[in-house]
Amino acid sequence: AQKVTQAQTEISVVEKEDVTLDCVYETRDTTYYLFWYKQPPSGELVFLIRRNSFDEQNEISGRYSWNFQKSTSSFNFTITASQVVDSAVYFCALSGDNAGNMLTFGGGTRLMVKP
Amino acid sequence: ETGVTQTPRHLVMGMTNKKSLKCEQHLGHNAMYWYKQSAKKPLELMFVYSLEERVENNSVPSRFSPECPNSSHLFLHLHTLQPEDSALYLCASSQDSPGASYEQYFGPGTRLTVT
Repeated sequence: AQKVTQAQTEISVVEKEDVTLDCVYETRDTTYYLFWYKQPPSGELVFLIRRNSFDEQNEISGRYSWNFQKSTSSFNFTITASQVVDSAVYFCALSGDNAGNMLTFGGGTRLMVKP
Repeated sequence: ETGVTQTPRHLVMGMTNKKSLKCEQHLGHNAMYWYKQSAKKPLELMFVYSLEERVENNSVPSRFSPECPNSSHLFLHLHTLQPEDSALYLCASSQDSPGASYEQYFGPGTRLTVT
C-alpha cells in the first residue's frame, strides 16, 4: 500500500519569508514517482514537478526548490522569498511502478502568505 | 482551447435529477481520470480510463457512471445522488505508457451541490 503524509495542514508566513512544505511517503515499489501540485483558490490543480526514485538530485526552479531524500522517504518543497500569489493548497503525490499512472495524494498543506 | 476543460463549472441538482459532467482534453493524452475532492478529505480517485478502456473503479457507487467515447472526452453521468456527494469533481489527463508514470494535468473542476 502506498501512503503520502503532509503533516502540516496549514502554514502562515509573511511575504518574503522562506517556507518549507514537508512530504513523507511510504511505498514498497523500487521504482516510483513523486509529484507536487499547487491548487490556488480557483480550484485547478497545477503541476509543479515530477521526480523519479532514481534521481535524488535536488531541483531548483526560480523561487521553488525540492529536496528528495530516499533515506528518510521525504520529498520536501521550499519556496524562497514567498509572495502573496503563492497562497494556495499544495499537494504531494506518489505513483508506484505497479500503480501505473494512479496517484496517491497527501492531504495537502494550505499556505497563506500575508503581505 | 488548450489544456483540460470541464463543463459545467457549477451545478446544483436535486437528489432525483440526472445530470452529466463533461471533460475534454486538448493535450493529445491517452489516459483520463475523474477525482472527487470533498472538504477536509484527500483527493479521491474515482475512475481511470487508458486508451478508452476503464482500468480502475475505486469502489465508487453506481449512481456515478463514467463514459469515455474517445481519448479526448470523458463524461461522468450522475443520477439519484445524495447530499454527501456534494464536492468538487476534477478531471485530469496524462500520457500512459508501460513502466513510467507521467504527470496529470487537471481541469478547473465542477463544483457540485446536491440538495
